[in-house]
This record gives sequence, structure tokens and C-alpha cells, in this order.
Amino acid sequence: QLQLQESGPGLVKPSETLSLTCTVSGGSVSISNSYWGWIRQPPGKGLEWIGSVHNTGSTYYNPSLKSRVSISVATSKNQFSLNLNSVTAADTAVYYCARLVDSNFDHWGQGKLVTVSS
Amino acid sequence: QTVVTQEPSFSVSPGGTVTLTCGLSSGSVSTSYYSSWYQQTPGQAPRTLIYSTYSRASGVPDRFSGSILGNKAALTITGAQTDDESDYYCVLYMGVGIWVFGGGTKLTVL
Repeated sequence: QLQLQESGPGLVKPSETLSLTCTVSGGSVSISNSYWGWIRQPPGKGLEWIGSVHNTGSTYYNPSLKSRVSISVATSKNQFSLNLNSVTAADTAVYYCARLVDSNFDHWGQGKLVTVSS
Repeated sequence: QTVVTQEPSFSVSPGGTVTLTCGLSSGSVSTSYYSSWYQQTPGQAPRTLIYSTYSRASGVPDRFSGSILGNKAALTITGAQTDDESDYYCVLYMGVGIWVFGGGTKLTVL
């Protein structure tokens, strides 16, 4: 059974970098037909796709976040990571990692609440 | 940037049928947008109902169906149940690896 788990700080100061890692178990990030993505949800609001990465290292980003975001994959650790720099209060959200296969975000982590505050 | 539109809220009676839609601020949705639909209850991660316009995810009851209606993607719930009361999100593929979620529809069953 594939499982994804987000980890990282729950509190980040304004202007600093938000860094999260998603650990995949019960499967491999190296599967050729799978992409791995990050999606966030501000409190009480809707979902926003942040970006995706393939095990080859190819990345795709939300144009509205592209200047601040970086997603990478570590196949040896079976993990992928999100970095979002220059954060503000508007970046406060639950951050989900998910697998994308056949145009389906079919497996999700439980979500990690990250608050941006001094 | 293209906006994906959904009804903010919808209400259906138990046993009734409801169709939620997913459109574009400019243009028409087709199967090329690989629309998918997710159900989310409070405090939980979303779960897939429909992907690639028509395909039902594993374990999803067949009273959930996806389609293209006119110029929008659609999710139809036939025989709504009280535990269908949730938020529903669609997401569309814009090409070049980019996905855009709709704002979500809050469905009330009463």
C-alpha cells in the first residue's frame, strides 16, 4: 500500500524559506509513469497545485509561484522535497504531497500545516 | 492566467441527483484537459472520485460519474447520500505539465 508522509517545520518566519519533504513508502519514486507533486490549501480555502517532479528531475511549476518554488527528488531516499522562498503570511496553508499517475492525483499525504509568522 | 470555475455551493435532497460543473474563464473544457474530481471532508486529504474525464477511481461507487456537458466537465451524483456532503474540487490539465484546481463546490445534502 503506497503511503506518503510530509515532514518539516510547522512554523516559518516571514521572508524565510519553507522546506518540506515527502517520504514515500510501499512504492518507489522511480516508477517511470509517476510524477510527484505538492498541493496546498490555505485555511478555509481551496486547493492550489504548486508543482510536480518526475524521477528524471523534470519539474513543472505553478506560474504564479514559479519564481519562488523549487521541487526536487531524491531517488536514493525515496523522497521528494519542496522549497518555497520569501514566504509571507499568504503562504500559510496545509501542504500536501501527492502522486500523479495517469492524470490522477491518486495517493495523498495526510497534510502538513505550515504557519508563516514571526 | 486561466481560471477554473466551479459553483461555490450546491444543495441536493437525499436520493436526488446533482451535477457539479467545472469550466474555464475562457474557452471550453474537452477531454484534452483530463479533468478529475476530488472529494474532501473537513480535516482530511482529498480523495479521487473521477479522473481523465470519465474514469472512476478504485472503490468509488458507480453513482458518481464524470462527463463533458456542453463546454464544461461535469460530476454527477445519482442517488445522493448524506455522507456525500463534502467539498468537491475539479482540476484541469493546462498542458506543459501544469494543473489548475477549481475553487471547489460545497455540497449540502438535506
